[in-house]
Amino acid sequence: EAQVTQNPRYLITVTGKKLTVTCSQNMNHEYMSWYRQDPGLGLRQIYYSMNVEVTDKGDVPEGYKVSRKEKRNFPLILESPSPNQTSLYFCASMRGLGYGYTFGSGTRLTVV
Amino acid sequence: GESVGLHLPTLSVQEGDNSIINCAYSNSASDYFIWYKQESGKGPQFIIDIRSNMDKRQGQRVTVLLNKTVKHLSLQIAATQPGDSAVYFCAETRNAGGTSYGKLTFGQGTILTVHP
Repeated sequence: EAQVTQNPRYLITVTGKKLTVTCSQNMNHEYMSWYRQDPGLGLRQIYYSMNVEVTDKGDVPEGYKVSRKEKRNFPLILESPSPNQTSLYFCASMRGLGYGYTFGSGTRLTVV
Repeated sequence: GESVGLHLPTLSVQEGDNSIINCAYSNSASDYFIWYKQESGKGPQFIIDIRSNMDKRQGQRVTVLLNKTVKHLSLQIAATQPGDSAVYFCAETRNAGGTSYGKLTFGQGTILTVHP
């Protein structure tokens, strides 16, 4: 089944403890991206990647890192999480123009 | 399910009615637009897209209209069904400096509720 898989689905962590949310797609898509979704603020793009080793900032990149060493994987790294990074995170991938992003099921992160 | 918005515009319709969801976009340089549907507890799902060289595009039961003059986008759903109940988002993007269409900006969303 063609899909974007992100893990974990739920995560509770403490301030300052580094964490990684994994994302993998099995559709050989060029583009991948991370979003966060917050009540009243909608979906905001954190980072996106156009291909292996090519990434760029979205609208809210502060406090996040990404890497694209392989086409299928695009992990989101929080080096020192803070409570304001408590949010619902989505990974997405896209084949190209005219197809739109395919989204994963989301990761609910709580930083205490 | 997950809460995706506490103060979003809402639209309530009866099953079988036509629904129109509106979106104002911000960037006059945007040249590609997408509508997404998000059901409770799930990620956004692609519905339909339109490029800026078009003003109308039709899919199965859905039509997107684009008015570049006033930077307005609408999604029309024909014969709305209870399964259409969800939050609907418009998104815009543009070909910016070679990083084609990777950067996507979402609107705030509209909650559609369809009553049987």
